[in-house]
Amino acid sequence: EIVLTQSPGTLSLSPGERATLSCRASQSVSRSYLAWYQQKTGQAPRLLIYAASSRATDIPDRFSGSGSGTDFTLTISRLEPEDFAVYYCQQYDNSLWTFGQGTKVEIK
Amino acid sequence: QVRLQEWGPGRVKPSETLTLTCAVSDSSISNYYWSWIRQPPGKGLEWIGSFYYSGNTNYNPSLKSRVTISLDTPEGQFSLKMTSATAADTAVYYCARADSLDYFFDNWGQGTLVTVSS
Repeated sequence: EIVLTQSPGTLSLSPGERATLSCRASQSVSRSYLAWYQQKTGQAPRLLIYAASSRATDIPDRFSGSGSGTDFTLTISRLEPEDFAVYYCQQYDNSLWTFGQGTKVEIK
Repeated sequence: QVRLQEWGPGRVKPSETLTLTCAVSDSSISNYYWSWIRQPPGKGLEWIGSFYYSGNTNYNPSLKSRVTISLDTPEGQFSLKMTSATAADTAVYYCARADSLDYFFDNWGQGTLVTVSS
């Protein structure tokens, strides 16, 4: 089973700043099978990025994904007030899905 | 956009079976993985299992012995049964749809809180 480790646990930034979130896998993950989600308090997760770098429908272009192998990154180019939330990476391998533990992006 | 809606008892007693159902708005069950994911209070997401419309089912190894996911295609619903519930199963339970090519969850229900308590 592939384990995903996200860092940092919490990111304290101001609106307008750039956020860089990391997701590291315990073994190589196919780029096609790496996704990112945003979750706000009291809401279901929302798909942001799939196949490592493809934005989901209606996701603003300030969100971008990159990476391959065991290291993947979600970047938010300029934080908007509505972007402060928890972000999860997710992978699929050998008929199993796993999530990272999440990174909280909070207002500094 | 398909809508998913979960329902079930908000409280289950320890050792009993937790049962939840998810309705798919357009009743279109084909070509996707229909999945359950949970989130204990204040914690992260845990994948429970997924059912492909053709009958193939995959479960989280840590829960496999207690979990069954089944499809009711004519009704456009799928369900989760988890036996021998304990307090550790207290969580918000989400149903979700996973893409069958790239395996991402593109549609989620709003979630339902299940508390395991006597």
